[in-house]
Amino acid sequence: IVMTQAPLSSAVTLGQPASISCRSSQSLEHNDGNTYLSWLHQRPGQPPRLLIYKISKKFSGVPDRFSGSGAGTEFTLKISRVEAEDVGVYYCMQATQLITFGQGTKLEIK
Amino acid sequence: EVLLVESGGGSVQPGGSLRLSCAASGFTFSPYWMTWVRQAPGKGLEWVATMNRDGSETYYVDSAKGRFTISRDNTENFLFLQMNSLRGDDTAVYYCARGQQGTLDSWGQGTLVTISS
Repeated sequence: IVMTQAPLSSAVTLGQPASISCRSSQSLEHNDGNTYLSWLHQRPGQPPRLLIYKISKKFSGVPDRFSGSGAGTEFTLKISRVEAEDVGVYYCMQATQLITFGQGTKLEIK
Repeated sequence: EVLLVESGGGSVQPGGSLRLSCAASGFTFSPYWMTWVRQAPGKGLEWVATMNRDGSETYYVDSAKGRFTISRDNTENFLFLQMNSLRGDDTAVYYCARGQQGTLDSWGQGTLVTISS
């Protein structure tokens, strides 16, 4: 399954919203009824950390300003108000059929 | 606190071998699927291999099949990646990650593997 993210880079003003889309080459709905689409965030020099799993479930400790949505082959990560600590690269990841990642979206502060 | 610590990286010539280790602590290791993910310098994330709880199932990216072997020791809480016939495009930081609920919820800091003559 190929994962395609857009945009590949984005510059956002502090306090403004940001949105990243992720499209899969086939439906991510698993036979068990779940959709295994996750979002991860990687700061420079750090390992990735999980933000969102199963499309919209927030991982422990993830701020409320992050939200995930979508279904089938189209998914979106939204940050309601960007903070300085949100810079870095965001990856979508599917685990419905083995594991594949999107190319990554680099978020910078304008 | 969940802790995953990778080791075993280094610089190797093309055609050489390395064995990566991932020490797990802070959680009960045996019930979790475990995965290796790599990241080439300046590039994105690439899934490498996954093993189920008891080691009876393994899955590999096509480029790793026949060269890499994932294994685990549930008594000592270790995950391993044996890498043979290494090539330049295997150069990357290798992360181990814990799997649950169809995602990778905890990641180690990574270990750098450099393939160069």
